Amino acid sequence: DAKTTQPNSMESNEEEPVHLPCNHSTISGTDYIHWYRQLPSQGPEYVIHGLTSNVNNRMASLAIAEDRKSSTLILHRATLRDAAVYYCILKSGGSNYKLTFGKGTLLTVNP
Amino acid sequence: DTAVSQTPKYLVTQMGNDKSIKCEQNLGHDTMYWYKQDSKKFLKIMFSYNNKELIINETVPNRFSPKSPDKAHLNLHINSLELGDSAVYFCASSQRTSGNLYNEQFFGPGTRLTVL
Repeated sequence: DAKTTQPNSMESNEEEPVHLPCNHSTISGTDYIHWYRQLPSQGPEYVIHGLTSNVNNRMASLAIAEDRKSSTLILHRATLRDAAVYYCILKSGGSNYKLTFGKGTLLTVNP
Repeated sequence: DTAVSQTPKYLVTQMGNDKSIKCEQNLGHDTMYWYKQDSKKFLKIMFSYNNKELIINETVPNRFSPKSPDKAHLNLHINSLELGDSAVYFCASSQRTSGNLYNEQFFGPGTRLTVL
């Protein structure tokens, strides 16, 4: 599986936008970019995924660089409930059955 | 209604014992997984079953034996428990679409296993 690099931690204030970066310079053409998050003492939950185009859903937006070597998860208005570890994961279109988690980014949201 | 449920939530036991963790999903998915999250918070896949058939076994010791009686259940049995088995175990499920593509995974709340 191609590797991703994320900052260990980030901090944000409540009600402000948060941009969580992810580098994946060895991404292949069939790799999808997935984001999951894990709230304290809970199982991971799916956030969003994309291939080439930017994606929006009710939780977040995913901005993918034109060369696909990096992406950014955007939380438009952070709430205290968004404090979690965010994982950026590449999943090959040919072997999409498992998630390989890295260290992720611990997001702290200040009131 | 809980989508993916696990029992028990906490499990404390002595070294050498045998224990089981149960997982059930009511999402109608055909693929289920077991992940292990160690004390350093690394999440690693252990097993995956598709339609009750084992499709992933990530070099997990033979002491761990998953059992899938039907598509909605994937139980994890652990023999001769060791201190290093202490971790949080997460069950997950997803639905296979076409070819080898799978939709997003839904995770259970986890089972915290402590081996003394």
